[in-house]
Amino acid sequence: AQSVTQLDSHVSVSEGTPVLLRCNYSSSYSPSLFWYVQHPNKGLQLLLKYTSAATLVKGINGFEAEFKKSETSFHLTKPSAHMSDAAEYFCVVSGGTSYGKLTFGQGTILTVHP
Amino acid sequence: EAGVTQSPTHLIKTRGQQATLRCSPISGHTSVYWYQQALGLGLQFLLWYDEGEERNRGNFPPRFSGRQFPNYSSELNVNALELEDSALYLCASSLRPGTDYVGYGYTFGSGTRLTVV
Repeated sequence: AQSVTQLDSHVSVSEGTPVLLRCNYSSSYSPSLFWYVQHPNKGLQLLLKYTSAATLVKGINGFEAEFKKSETSFHLTKPSAHMSDAAEYFCVVSGGTSYGKLTFGQGTILTVHP
Repeated sequence: EAGVTQSPTHLIKTRGQQATLRCSPISGHTSVYWYQQALGLGLQFLLWYDEGEERNRGNFPPRFSGRQFPNYSSELNVNALELEDSALYLCASSLRPGTDYVGYGYTFGSGTRLTVV
């Protein structure tokens, strides 16, 4: 079985300051990990994915995430937040016996203050 | 390149009725997935179709069913609607996961908002 825990349900930052969204995973197999973003009343957009290549993954809009197997973490970061980054972010794991199935974290709502 | 398209955008049904939701995958993608995003319950895996067959199913009752057509588009049917079926239903598509499983990217549509009254 696999699972994902997003450690913060809400994160609030000021525009121009760094963003850190935390994610821990559990998987019996080498997982594939993703971060998705969902803006209000919209579908999900893929930010980045880790598939056992480089442990530091760069995504769209300046986001990146680092896969740390020893810590079973896949935290999402961005050096400088934009107002347009305000959205809900989901950490997702797949692989192993959960064939064809994505397991989502509960989501982190990011608020960006001017 | 067209993305994953879902129709209708919104759907209002009465309890006990049936709802049909549709999804067209990205060209070249053979796998289609359905997810339910209900308030307070997060994103739950419903169904996975590939090459016209159901490959995996989440913990949902049999009144949730679907199919995949030869052109890889898919339908999700929900029978005997209940109030708690009100949710955003998201469809995603991908290349078929290989037997040695590599994390292919999954592309999501914008969803169908189903409201049961």
